[in-house]
Amino acid sequence: AQSVAQPEDQVNVAEGNPLTVKCTYSVSGNPYLFWYVQYPNRGLQFLLKYITGDNLVKGSYGFEAEFNKSQTSFHLKKPSALVSDSALYFCAVRDMAGGGNKLTFGTGTQLKVEL
Amino acid sequence: DVKVTQSSRYLVKRTGEKVFLECVQDMDHENMFWYRQDPGLGLRLIYFSYDVKMKEKGDIPEGYSVSREKKERFSLILESASTNQTSMYLCASSFRAGRDAFFGQGTRLTVV
Repeated sequence: AQSVAQPEDQVNVAEGNPLTVKCTYSVSGNPYLFWYVQYPNRGLQFLLKYITGDNLVKGSYGFEAEFNKSQTSFHLKKPSALVSDSALYFCAVRDMAGGGNKLTFGTGTQLKVEL
Repeated sequence: DVKVTQSSRYLVKRTGEKVFLECVQDMDHENMFWYRQDPGLGLRLIYFSYDVKMKEKGDIPEGYSVSREKKERFSLILESASTNQTSMYLCASSFRAGRDAFFGQGTRLTVV
């Protein structure tokens, strides 16, 4: 079965500094990988995805993610963090069971950006 | 913009009650999903549907059922609510396999 792991429950970073939220994956075949963000009391919002092509994927709100096949990682990055980036971030992988219609999510990483 | 609407933001129900959570999407998506979100566990798939009247169990279907009589609507049913079903429930839809999923705002259910 496909799975993703987010090894950090929380990441703290100062505003203006670069941020990284980590994700590793385990899949059979080619991975379809996603990042979502959840603000307090809201549903999830799509940030970016990797299906094929360039290993560096650019997404919404200045976020990008780097796909690394040899390390089976898909880390989320941003060059300069904002306080408004504070939220819960989820990594997800397309699960090929059930015709590939499902997404399997990680446990989430709480990002806190401080002044 | 795609809109996924869940009928309630907050619900409080009693143990043993039958509970209906409703979800409607307005973009003619084939796939619809119900997840529950719990701290430290992330999102876990309860059921999903890839077409009208079609459904498949997710990772934690016990104690739940679903109904999809129309393409735009996907209902989650708790046959007899229990306190361990207190959680945030998230509905999502997507156009087809591998495409982005769009989420509703969530329903926070408390079973007392």
